[in-house]
Amino acid sequence: DAGVTQSPTHLIKTRGQQVTLRCSPKSGHDTVSWYQQALGQGPQFIFQYYEEEERQRGNFPDRFSGHQFPNYSSELNVNALLLGDSALYLCASSSRDRGPYGYTFGSGTRLTVV
Amino acid sequence: EDQVTQSPEALRLQEGESSSLNCSYTVSGLRGLFWYRQDPGKGPEFLFTLYSAGEEKEKERLKATLTKKESFLHITAPKPEDSATYLCAVLRGSGGYNKLIFGAGTRLAVHP
Repeated sequence: DAGVTQSPTHLIKTRGQQVTLRCSPKSGHDTVSWYQQALGQGPQFIFQYYEEEERQRGNFPDRFSGHQFPNYSSELNVNALLLGDSALYLCASSSRDRGPYGYTFGSGTRLTVV
Repeated sequence: EDQVTQSPEALRLQEGESSSLNCSYTVSGLRGLFWYRQDPGKGPEFLFTLYSAGEEKEKERLKATLTKKESFLHITAPKPEDSATYLCAVLRGSGGYNKLIFGAGTRLAVHP
């Protein structure tokens, strides 16, 4: 049974560019949450998607946006990249009724902004 | 404001040397405290969820405990393979949707 799949695993972008990260949830999961983890820090909640809608959002600017598709997969888009956006971006999937009690995390996408 | 603080930031142990990691939290109405293990370049791996003061859970060499203001992760006779970052998080949310608020983690290195 495949777990959470994130792509790409590593990415290098230039300041000002735009980036799209992808997440395929674990089989049977319908909710996707995105977290940003800066080096040496804990993950910070970006937003959560359920039924193709953003359900809650953390303290991140509008440059961060997302989407969820009918097959429950999700994308995270970041516009106008800043050096400070360099981080490990984690996707966590779960079922709606369990939420974080049933999180499965992917291995993340390491984004470097130069 | 909800806050999760972990200490120490880093811990170096000799194999077999038991110790404890601390997670202090300030939240109103705790609904769950989570411990995760994270290996370099990987996502967090779930260890335990604790719900109420006095609760304890064990898994192999790890035991997690919870009081009204903090949680401890006790590591008994650690092995080099226990080296990792250990993250603590509390559950928050509203309107039926929840998220985790994480601490910065404790980086554990166990040397043979």
